[in-house]
Amino acid sequence: GQQLNQSPQSMFIQEGEDVSMNCTSSSIFNTWLWYKQEPGEGPVLLIALYKAGELTSNGRLTAQFGITRKDSFLNISASIPSDVGIYFCAGLGSGGSNYKLTFGKGTLLTVNP
Amino acid sequence: EADIYQTPRYLVIGTGKKITLECSQTMGHDKMYWYQQDPGMELHLIHYSYGVNSTEKGDLSSESTVSRIRTEHFPLTLESARPSHTSQYLCASSDNGGWTDTQYFGPGTRLTVL
Repeated sequence: GQQLNQSPQSMFIQEGEDVSMNCTSSSIFNTWLWYKQEPGEGPVLLIALYKAGELTSNGRLTAQFGITRKDSFLNISASIPSDVGIYFCAGLGSGGSNYKLTFGKGTLLTVNP
Repeated sequence: EADIYQTPRYLVIGTGKKITLECSQTMGHDKMYWYQQDPGMELHLIHYSYGVNSTEKGDLSSESTVSRIRTEHFPLTLESARPSHTSQYLCASSDNGGWTDTQYFGPGTRLTVL
């Protein structure tokens, strides 16, 4: 089946630093989604990417849909303590599996004030 | 803002009990999903539904069952809970945009079986 490799697995940074994480796959995806999950809560959608090469921003967050459709990255600029959480990438496949999201294993972000 | 609700948020029960986890959404989405997630781990799809009277098993085998009698409601049932069922259960729904479906998640139910 389709798999996503998300890295890094965890990050420990100082407040104000920029953060970058990415997901890669050997499979092609039609949509890339980035979610943030805080303890005890469900994932919250941050950014959705629908076209290869698309670069989208949401406040301090920027994400790109790789031109090969096999990768995506998420950048967070000027991190703040409330950025703490687990960030998941997710890809929506093509053909008969286009309803099913494939999730990365998550990046645990810790921000030191 | 996604309008998808799950109850209860937390549940602690004894082995052998029958439980139903509720999920409802007010967005009119046709597709709904149940995921299982252990702490700090990736999400695993256990059930999904295309619409009323449609249910399918997901990628991860689960002893739970689901039903979809109404568009807005997608409950998950465990007939006899066991400690191995202890986990977080997340419900999601997606809009009807075909290949651009984007899934929105509920807050989850944290289940502990003693």
